Amino acid sequence: EDKVVQSPLSLVVHEGDTVTLNCSYEVTNFRSLLWYKQEKKAPTFLFMLTSSGIEKKSGRLSSILDKKELFSILNITATQTGDSAVYLCAAVKETSGSRLTFGEGTQLTVNP
Amino acid sequence: GAGVSQSPRYKVAKRGRDVALRCDSISGHVTLYWYRQTLGQGSEVLTYSQSDAQRDKSGRPSGRFSAERPERSVSTLKIQRTEQGDSAVYLCASSQGCNQPQHFGDGTRLSIL
Repeated sequence: EDKVVQSPLSLVVHEGDTVTLNCSYEVTNFRSLLWYKQEKKAPTFLFMLTSSGIEKKSGRLSSILDKKELFSILNITATQTGDSAVYLCAAVKETSGSRLTFGEGTQLTVNP
Repeated sequence: GAGVSQSPRYKVAKRGRDVALRCDSISGHVTLYWYRQTLGQGSEVLTYSQSDAQRDKSGRPSGRFSAERPERSVSTLKIQRTEQGDSAVYLCASSQGCNQPQHFGDGTRLSIL
């Protein structure tokens, strides 16, 4: 059975801290891994990772995929209170119409 | 706006009734997905449809969930004989294609009494 596991499930930090969120997966016919940020409403797309070892960056956020060890990390540097959200990791298969298999999410709280 | 739009935002229904939730996807997106989010089980796919297919390809074994797509950018998720366990947030997402990221609507929060 396909599985995506995120850790930690919950994290509380102070503004300015750097955080690393983890996502491991066991997915047959794996194609890519996606990261989303979900605040009160819709998950918003952050990154799509298909190739191993290539870091993707967007401002203070960056992410990388390791297809050998089957995991990905999402880094956030110089955290701000606006980074508080649930961060979802999801795997996409080559088959099954590219539907997402989600992890449970990491609840990040950034305190001022 | 140009994003995925879902309606209603909130829905309350009595157990046993059928409900229908609407999704207007992004113009030009060919693939459309319905997911369910609950505190206990996280997010799981319910159905998805591709291009001009009007009927869903169910991601779940339960026959109570189905989706129809009368137009390419519109989908209706139907839940028959609702159960209390169906109380959740239902998210719709669309993408330009299989290798493109999915973009989500704000969801419909369904409460079954």
